[in-house]
Amino acid sequence: GQQLNQSPQSMFIQEGEDVSMNCTSSSIFNTWLWYKQDPGEGPVLLIALYKAGELTSNGRLTAQFGITRKDSFLNISASIPSDVGIYFCAGRIIQGAQKLVFGQGTRLTINP
Amino acid sequence: GAVVSQHPSRVICKSGTSVKIECRSLDFQATTMFWYRQFPKQSLMLMATSNEGSKATYEQGVEKDKFLINHASLTLSTLTVTSAHPEDSSFYICSASRGGAINEQFFGPGTRLTVL
Repeated sequence: GQQLNQSPQSMFIQEGEDVSMNCTSSSIFNTWLWYKQDPGEGPVLLIALYKAGELTSNGRLTAQFGITRKDSFLNISASIPSDVGIYFCAGRIIQGAQKLVFGQGTRLTINP
Repeated sequence: GAVVSQHPSRVICKSGTSVKIECRSLDFQATTMFWYRQFPKQSLMLMATSNEGSKATYEQGVEKDKFLINHASLTLSTLTVTSAHPEDSSFYICSASRGGAINEQFFGPGTRLTVL
């Protein structure tokens, strides 16, 4: 099936540092989504992107839909302890389709 | 808006018993609900997609007789793990979408199933 390659798999950073993670695919996507999952909880939608080149912010988070429609990145500025968790990218290949393809996740750990 | 709940949050059962997990959209009507399974330190694996009033569509490799899905109303879907075995132990997460132009999935908090 379709796969999203998400990197890095894990990150260990100091509080206050900026974070960057990305997802790539060999297929063209019509939608890119970024979710955050805390331990023992379900994923929470952070940012949704619908157009190639689109750059969207949500507080300290910024995500972009790649021009080629085969990639997306998520940046977190000035990280704080509550940013700890697992971040998943997800994409939709077929416009209007309901199924999502998920990346493998990026586990973020922050040292205070 | 777009709150999804799951019940129970944790369940421990004996091998051979059946377990029902409920997924509810609390403040919207969900045209479609999804059931995922997640193993430790892994991504979400879609098990099935269900639309209200119709049979669920199962992903390849998911046994429909093992994982029974019922989507009886626009706010409730249930997943029943029948004759559970230890290998069915996992984190089960549902999501719901409300349709329309922005058709994103909102996830429930998950149910941790442990089969002894």
